[in-house]
Amino acid sequence: RKEVEQDPGPFNVPEGATVAFNCTYSNSASQSFFWYRQDCRKEPKLLMSVYSSGNEDGRFTAQLNRASQYISLLIRDSKLSDSATYLCVVVTGNQFYFGTGTSLTVIP
Amino acid sequence: DTAVSQTPKYLVTQMGNDKSIKCEQNLGHDTMYWYKQDSKKFLKIMFSYNNKELIINETVPNRFSPKSPDKAHLNLHINSLELGDSAVYFCASSQVGRGGRYEQYFGPGTRLTVT
Repeated sequence: RKEVEQDPGPFNVPEGATVAFNCTYSNSASQSFFWYRQDCRKEPKLLMSVYSSGNEDGRFTAQLNRASQYISLLIRDSKLSDSATYLCVVVTGNQFYFGTGTSLTVIP
Repeated sequence: DTAVSQTPKYLVTQMGNDKSIKCEQNLGHDTMYWYKQDSKKFLKIMFSYNNKELIINETVPNRFSPKSPDKAHLNLHINSLELGDSAVYFCASSQVGRGGRYEQYFGPGTRLTVT
């Protein structure tokens, strides 16, 4: 079983829509979780950390569900500039495990 | 200021050659990494290294070797390049340890093409 599983999409949504991505992980001992964003032909960049209590940064909300072993990212009021690939990252011990990424295209 | 830098940005070479990619971080992090991202965009870790421990992904061929002259640098040396080595290689760094937040910061990537 893969350490991290993520729906690759693609997700094509109109501007202003709300879109959510999920990511499941297999190791209950995993201790840190992140969402990264990767634009075409660029490096992954940290979008936000994910905390047990949930956290919000503007239009972005990240949630962690330890019981069901998944993390989620919610994007409200999608902008054209949100088009990118979103990668979930799970840290277990000192090992980083990246999901395969979910492709998002926001359509005018 | 560039936090994690890599050189070269593009590398085109022939099969059988040996090449190196350099990585430097000025974040004061204690751990550095090399990733390979293939044409399917899957990001696969190759190595993680700090001054105490080298962790090698067992699927990485031994033609690939990391070399760290100091804490701020982790270079990737590749021997006898093969067509399947064509990919984008990313260097990253993070601070790992008690109280460390573990986020990784990535370099801009090196696009390697083997012909």
